[in-house]
Amino acid sequence: GQSLEQPSEVTAVEGAIVQINCTYQTSGFYGLSWYQQHDGGAPTFLSYNGLDGLEETGRFSSFLSRSDSYGYLLLQELQMKDSASYFCAVTPVGGRRALTFGSGTRLQVQP
Amino acid sequence: NAGVMQNPRHLVRRRGQEARLRCSPMKGHSHVYWYRQLPEEGLKFMVYLQKENIIDESGMPKERFSAEFPKEGPSILRIQQVVRGDSAAYFCASSSGSGETQYFGPGTRLLVL
Repeated sequence: GQSLEQPSEVTAVEGAIVQINCTYQTSGFYGLSWYQQHDGGAPTFLSYNGLDGLEETGRFSSFLSRSDSYGYLLLQELQMKDSASYFCAVTPVGGRRALTFGSGTRLQVQP
Repeated sequence: NAGVMQNPRHLVRRRGQEARLRCSPMKGHSHVYWYRQLPEEGLKFMVYLQKENIIDESGMPKERFSAEFPKEGPSILRIQQVVRGDSAAYFCASSSGSGETQYFGPGTRLLVL
């Protein structure tokens, strides 16, 4: 099976950098994805790591280390609109291709 | 290019009634996934479908819940004899292929009174 752990809440100030960690236990997966979800909204795809290393997409970067069973999402130059919940998710190998989600990290950006 | 569409966005039902949730995948996508989200929780997989086929329904309750994705028309998640515990947000996602990036619809928020 798969389980993913994330901190439940993170608080940071506008303009700062914040890192949201995701540790996992899984029997095998294709890659680690990150989604953003605003209150009352739909999950929006942010980033995907199929291989170890850093993926950069504008202000957002994501990192994966399979040997450490660990990944993170890095948000730079924080803006108020970044206040949302962030979920890591894996696509398990074999069987279904549905995503297994972590419980999410609520990011609060303060002025 | 329209994204994933779901309707209705909000649905209120009384206990014992039926709920029908619809999902039209993104253009060119033939893989559909349904997830359920309870307040303050992550999304939980329910069922994975391709056109006219249920690929994996391991996340769906054995009773009262069913899903289909016909050759023509949207995918439908059907909940019979709803109970208060069915109140949740139900999200549909689609992808172009198995294991490809999934894109989510706006969700249907079901409230059972």
